[in-house]
Amino acid sequence: EVQLVESGGGLVKPGGSLRLSCAASGFTFRSYGLNWVRQAPGKGLEWISYISGGSDHIFYADSVKGRFTISRDNARNSLYLQMTSLTVDDTSVYFCARANLCGVGSCYDHWGQGTLVSVSS
Amino acid sequence: DIQMTQSPSSLSASVGDRVTITCRASQTILNYLNWYQQKPGRAPRLLIYAASTLHSGVPSRFSATGSGTDFTLTISSLQPEDFAIYYCQQTYTTPLASFGQGTKLEIK
Repeated sequence: EVQLVESGGGLVKPGGSLRLSCAASGFTFRSYGLNWVRQAPGKGLEWISYISGGSDHIFYADSVKGRFTISRDNARNSLYLQMTSLTVDDTSVYFCARANLCGVGSCYDHWGQGTLVSVSS
Repeated sequence: DIQMTQSPSSLSASVGDRVTITCRASQTILNYLNWYQQKPGRAPRLLIYAASTLHSGVPSRFSATGSGTDFTLTISSLQPEDFAIYYCQQTYTTPLASFGQGTKLEIK
C-alpha cells in the first residue's frame, strides 16, 4: 500500500524557517516525481514545488521561489521542503503528493495527510 | 500562467440529484485535466484523469468530459458521501500545475 506521511509542521514566527519531511512507503520511491501542494485555511489547493525521481528536475511556484528548497533522499525514501523567510501568507496545510503518468499527462494519485504550518508572531 | 476557473463556486443539491461542475482553462490544455475530491480535514483524492478517465476504485456515477478549454464533471446520482469540495487541475504545463478554486457541493 502506498503511503505518504508528512511531518515537521508547527508554529513559526515571521522570518523564520522550517523543514518539512514526507516519508514514503509501498512503492519504488526513486521512480516517481513528487510534489508539494499547500492549502491555506479555508482556501483552495496551490501547487508549490516538484522534484523528479533523480532530483535532476526541480521546479517552484513563483510564490515560493528563492525561499523554499525541495529535496529528496532516495536511500531514505524521503522528501523534504526547506522553508525560509516565512510570512503569514505561508500559513497552510502542506501536502506531499506523488506524480504519476495518467493517460497523456500526469496526475497526483497518492497524497499524504498533510502537516500544518502556522506563521504568526 | 494558465488560470483555471470553476463554476459554480458552491452548489446545493439533494441525494439522488444529478449535478454538473464546470472548469474552464484560460488557454487550451488539450485533455491534460484532472479532477479531485476533498472532504473536510482530508487530503484530496484523484477521481478523474486525462479529462475523462475514471481513476481506479472511483464509482461509475462519476463521469467527466471536455477538451481544449472547457471541461465538466458530472455525478449522476448524488450519494451522501459525495458532498465535498471538487477541484480541477491542469497538467498541460507539467510539472508546473494549477488548480481551480474549488466547487463546494453541499446538501440541500
